[in-house]
Amino acid sequence: DQQVKQNSPSLSVQEGRISILNCDYTNSMFDYFLWYKKYPAEGPTFLISISSIKDKNEDGRFTVFLNKSAKHLSLHIVPSQPGDSAVYFCAASGGQGAQKLVFGQGTRLTINP
Amino acid sequence: EAQVTQNPRYLITVTGKKLTVTCSQNMNHEYMSWYRQDPGLGLRQIYYSMNVEVTDKGDVPEGYKVSRKEKRNFPLILESPSPNQTSLYFCASKWGGDSPLHFGNGTRLTVT
Repeated sequence: DQQVKQNSPSLSVQEGRISILNCDYTNSMFDYFLWYKKYPAEGPTFLISISSIKDKNEDGRFTVFLNKSAKHLSLHIVPSQPGDSAVYFCAASGGQGAQKLVFGQGTRLTINP
Repeated sequence: EAQVTQNPRYLITVTGKKLTVTCSQNMNHEYMSWYRQDPGLGLRQIYYSMNVEVTDKGDVPEGYKVSRKEKRNFPLILESPSPNQTSLYFCASKWGGDSPLHFGNGTRLTVT
């Protein structure tokens, strides 16, 4: 049972445009959400997070939006740069499983020059 | 440099031959965890530890053991590896609560 789903395995965006990565979750007890970025041959690195008391969090070119009623979050990258090409994982935690971080399947983002 | 170190990076073994993947962190983190990454499934938690001598099962603990005798080390033990344990493994640590996880660079395990 996949509690966190990233339905797009891959996404291709032109350099300078906006990249939008989506993530859906099913567990209404989740109250903290994170995005990680992963380059080949490296471990995932933390990118940005959002608590369920907010609906938006911004850090430079990266913005995460949370829609609790739809159980949906998205990561916006603008403008997209070639160095943003990576696999992006969304993750969630909260409720009884607060010590467990549940990850989505990942979306491979490719930024084309 | 603050880091999570896993060894080895690559490992090929045969079914049934016991192996250990080591994990060490130098950030004095209380929480440590092991994940496996498989195509189409993302990262799934195997075991986690909230502190020394405290370990708990994650979502896919079958076939694995862990121990947390010291704060900095959290080895993953496969007593009798099987081909379905062929995967990319990540160790991670954090302070606790909602602080973000810091990951090692992964161990690619192949069991033939």
